Amino acid sequence: KQEVTQIPAALSVPEGENLVLNCSFTDSAIYNLQWFRQDPGKGLTSLLLIQSSQREQTSGRLNASLDKSSGRSTLYIAASQPGDSATYLCATEGAQKLVFGQGTRLTINP
Amino acid sequence: DAGVTQSPTHLIKTRGQQVTLRCSPKSGHDTVSWYQQALGQGPQFIFQYYEEEERQRGNFPDRFSGHQFPNYSSELNVNALLLGDSALYLCASSRTGPFNEQFFGPGTRLTVL
Repeated sequence: KQEVTQIPAALSVPEGENLVLNCSFTDSAIYNLQWFRQDPGKGLTSLLLIQSSQREQTSGRLNASLDKSSGRSTLYIAASQPGDSATYLCATEGAQKLVFGQGTRLTINP
Repeated sequence: DAGVTQSPTHLIKTRGQQVTLRCSPKSGHDTVSWYQQALGQGPQFIFQYYEEEERQRGNFPDRFSGHQFPNYSSELNVNALLLGDSALYLCASSRTGPFNEQFFGPGTRLTVL
């Protein structure tokens, strides 16, 4: 049974810093890994999807990496802004269902 | 493209009642999945529908049931509501097959009193 863990549960950093969010998973037999952003009380916004054959994906200030052999993914956010404050969730896909971590609640302080 | 839409936005019910939540998938998507997200937790997979059939199911009791219509829209029904069913219910759509990105709707917030 796939288990996804995100550490830390919460992170607070000053504006402008580069930061890394971590995601680990127990079963490497995945099709892809997806990173989402969730604002309080809202739905999920897809940020990046990394297919199992890929090592990383980039979108603007975001870069996500995937290391299946070690069961790890990281989301790198460059030059953080207050608008980046949200909960970030990672999810693995196997057999077309997503298994989520509990998320990292990120606060960017002006 | 309106993306994934869900209705209603919020819902308040009492224990023992029944509820129906609705989802319209993104244009071009044929697969709909439902997730339950309790406060402070990651979403949990309930079930998935494709070609009007339940294709996969997570660890949820039979009180949770669903339906997919020919236009790919879907409903989630929950019977005999419990306090613990209070959560954000999220619908996701995708094209069938692996490597396809899932897109989520805004969710329905269900409160059971």
